[in-house]
Amino acid sequence: GAVVSQHPSWVICKSGTSVKIECRSLDFQATTMFWYRQFPKQSLMLMATSNEGSKATYEQGVEKDKFLINHASLTLSTLTVTSAHPEDSSFYICSAMIHPFEQYFGPGTRLTVT
Amino acid sequence: KQEVTQIPAALSVPEGENLVLNCSFTDSAIYNLQWFRQDPGKGLTSLLLIQSSQREQTSGRLNASLDKSSGRSTLYIAASQPGDSATYLCAVYSGGGADGLTFGKGTHLIIQP
Repeated sequence: GAVVSQHPSWVICKSGTSVKIECRSLDFQATTMFWYRQFPKQSLMLMATSNEGSKATYEQGVEKDKFLINHASLTLSTLTVTSAHPEDSSFYICSAMIHPFEQYFGPGTRLTVT
Repeated sequence: KQEVTQIPAALSVPEGENLVLNCSFTDSAIYNLQWFRQDPGKGLTSLLLIQSSQREQTSGRLNASLDKSSGRSTLYIAASQPGDSATYLCAVYSGGGADGLTFGKGTHLIIQP
């Protein structure tokens, strides 16, 4: 089946620094990838839609200047959390879409900002 | 705006029982519905995907049904095992290629040995 990887699986950073998370589709190409965020004991919430070769589409309430998304190729999307703060600590999960509209999820990245 | 609700929020049953998890969604104009399993601190494992034109899907001891017109889906787990303990998430896809999934809050399932 389709495999999506994320790197790193967990990261701890200091407040004010930036963190980059990579999402890769390993055995297929994905023109569309998605970034979700999950707070403890909560469900997944869509942050943004990442489209190869174009700007990402952000959900209402998600700061595009804080969460920078780059979809550089058909197999790689990156999420950069800029000037991270403790409230950004969360579980970030990406997915890649294969038609007809089935999404495959990465294993997630646990971000802790101290 | 699509909303997904899962009932119950938590469920604890003895091993061997058959059980049903419920999912409802407010907008019936969906492309598909997926059931996922999430273990603590882990990512998502896709269990079943039902396209909007389908009524049900089966995989092993799992059976998912979809009643699109009424905005409901059920996940049936037969002969439950302790290894089935996890959070089960229901998610619907409503967009035309540019939208993500809308998730329910999940059902936290515990199967007692």
